[in-house]
Formats: sequence, structure tokens, C-alpha cells
Amino acid sequence: DTGVSQDPRHKITKRGQNVTFRCDPISEHNRLYWYRQTLGQGPEFLTYFQNEAQLEKSRLLSDRFSAERPKGSFSTLEIQRTEQGDSAMYLCASSSGSGVYQPQHFGDGTRLSIL
Amino acid sequence: SQKIEQNSEALNIQEGKTATLTCNYTNYSPAYLQWYRQDPGRGPVFLLLIRENEKEKRKERLKVTFDTTLKQSLFHITASQPADSATYLCAPFLSGNTPLVFGKGTRLSVIA
Repeated sequence: DTGVSQDPRHKITKRGQNVTFRCDPISEHNRLYWYRQTLGQGPEFLTYFQNEAQLEKSRLLSDRFSAERPKGSFSTLEIQRTEQGDSAMYLCASSSGSGVYQPQHFGDGTRLSIL
Repeated sequence: SQKIEQNSEALNIQEGKTATLTCNYTNYSPAYLQWYRQDPGRGPVFLLLIRENEKEKRKERLKVTFDTTLKQSLFHITASQPADSATYLCAPFLSGNTPLVFGKGTRLSVIA
């Protein structure tokens, strides 16, 4: 169990640019979640996959945000035309979806700073 | 909409004492409640899960209670140590398939 891995750990970009983050979940986990966290707040849910199917999206997820999990393994989160308000920590979590409830395991996030 | 309140933004206690953190929720009836620990610059780490039919759960120096009448969970750390200093997040949720909704967290500082 190597844990949930996120890349990059930090991203600094200018307003208006596109950014893409990657998440590699724990290998046997079929559920993958994206959250966003700003300073002094708890993580806020963005979207959720079961295998390759995107099952739920938050109202927070504007049309500038898109997420994929093409083969049911790693996932990418893309933000187009970034805005100052997109500055946050983006967290990925994974869990096993079968049998007794299993808690979500989080990666250490990608910190995005918009200049 | 679901609302989760954690008692305070910050809590300072002396080493060796028991820390008690509070999580209150309104406008829903969760079947489960989880507590996570988060260190600066890191992702949350799962600590304990308690179900609605369980009054109390323990793990080493940690104890969680879940009072569905009061709509409250208490999280206790006994014999606290400076290494317990972190932000603690609660996440009441309805079922295993639902994404988590977190409180803002309580930042605990244990002073030697």
C-alpha cells in the first residue's frame, strides 16, 4: 500500500492559464474523490468516480473544471481559464467500494496559487 | 442544507491533559461519523469511524462518542502529547456511497 499520490505538489500559474493535476489512488480502490480546501476550511467535495464513471459533481464545480478517470485507475482534474478564486489545495481521496464501509484515504494534495 | 459546527477554531491544552473536541450537526441524520487528523500541508488522515447504533468507540488514547439525540459527537484525546498537535476534522455522513462533508476543523495545540 503506497498510499494516494498527487502530482504536482505545488503549482503556480498566471490567471487565465489552464492547469491539470493528477491523482494515483491506492491500487485496489475503485472509488476516487476530488476535494478542494481553502485556508481555515474543511475539504469541500468536487466530484466522485466509481471505476471510470463520474457519478456525482458538486454545484461548486463550474464548467471550467473537468475531471476524468479514463481506465478506472488514475484521475486528472483540469481547470481552464484559472481565476484568483481557484487558489486552494486540491485533494484526492480513494476508497474501496465493496463490502463493509471503508474510509477514504487522502493524498497530500496539490497546492494551486494563481498570480 | 447540512450544517456542521466544530466547537472552536483553536484549542490549547497542557501536555498530559485530556483534549475534548466537539462536532455538532444540523438538518440531517447521519448514519456514520468520522474523525480525521490533518497536519499543515498534508492531507487528512482517517482516525475513527462510529456508527449511529454505537455510543462510543475507542482506539488507543482516542475516544469518540456519537449522540444522535443531541446531534453531537465528542472526540477525546487522553494523556495528550505535543505530537497530537494538529487540526481535527469531523465528517458526519449518510451512507458509504456519499462524499464526505467536513466541518471547518479544530486546531489543537498541546503545550509541553
